[in-house]
Amino acid sequence: DAGVIQSPRHEVTEMGQEVTLRCKPISGHDYLFWYRQTMMRGLELLIYFNNNVPIDDSGMPEDRFSAKMPNASFSTLKIQPSEPRDSAVYFCASSLYTGYTFGSGTRLTVV
Amino acid sequence: AQKITQTQPGMFVQEKEAVTLDCTYDTSDPSYGLFWYKQPSSGEMIFLIYQGSYDQQNATEGRYSLNFQKARKSANLVISASQLGDSAMYFCAMREGGDNNDMRFGAGTRLTVKP
Repeated sequence: DAGVIQSPRHEVTEMGQEVTLRCKPISGHDYLFWYRQTMMRGLELLIYFNNNVPIDDSGMPEDRFSAKMPNASFSTLKIQPSEPRDSAVYFCASSLYTGYTFGSGTRLTVV
Repeated sequence: AQKITQTQPGMFVQEKEAVTLDCTYDTSDPSYGLFWYKQPSSGEMIFLIYQGSYDQQNATEGRYSLNFQKARKSANLVISASQLGDSAMYFCAMREGGDNNDMRFGAGTRLTVKP
């Protein structure tokens, strides 16, 4: 298995632009998680899905953030409009029973 | 609400020696899992070891072992025979049972192995 695949690895965008981060979970995993990592706040859970259904989005910072999982093999995290304070590493992880497998992350820089 | 505490922002250890990274947790759920992840400078999150709340024995994975003290709500990671490649951030995490299946992380400990 190729593991959890995230794209792009790096994204630099201007403030106000829309940003879309993508994730392909491990086949067969029924949970998918989006995390954000910053120096100040550490690893924060943004949202997670079970069987493609959003279960808890209480970590999504504001309405500018949205996430979808249209099928079991694909999820997106969208920021519109982006702001400099959104700069962080965004991780996607998938899980079946116990531990998570993380993707390599997307490093987002908003200038 | 669950909470993970890692009180050591940074730790140093001499190569080939053992080191213990501390982690305490707080939960009212009797069923939970405890995890340790390693994040090297390259940024990826690498799963190291898992301990279930009902496991009778401490988990071990190669040079990694988890010192699980349930009554104290601690789950310290022990790395034996440290290697230079062990230098990284280490995160403790917990996932409760029941309906909440999200995993929450501690702030992490930066381990530096000295030659």
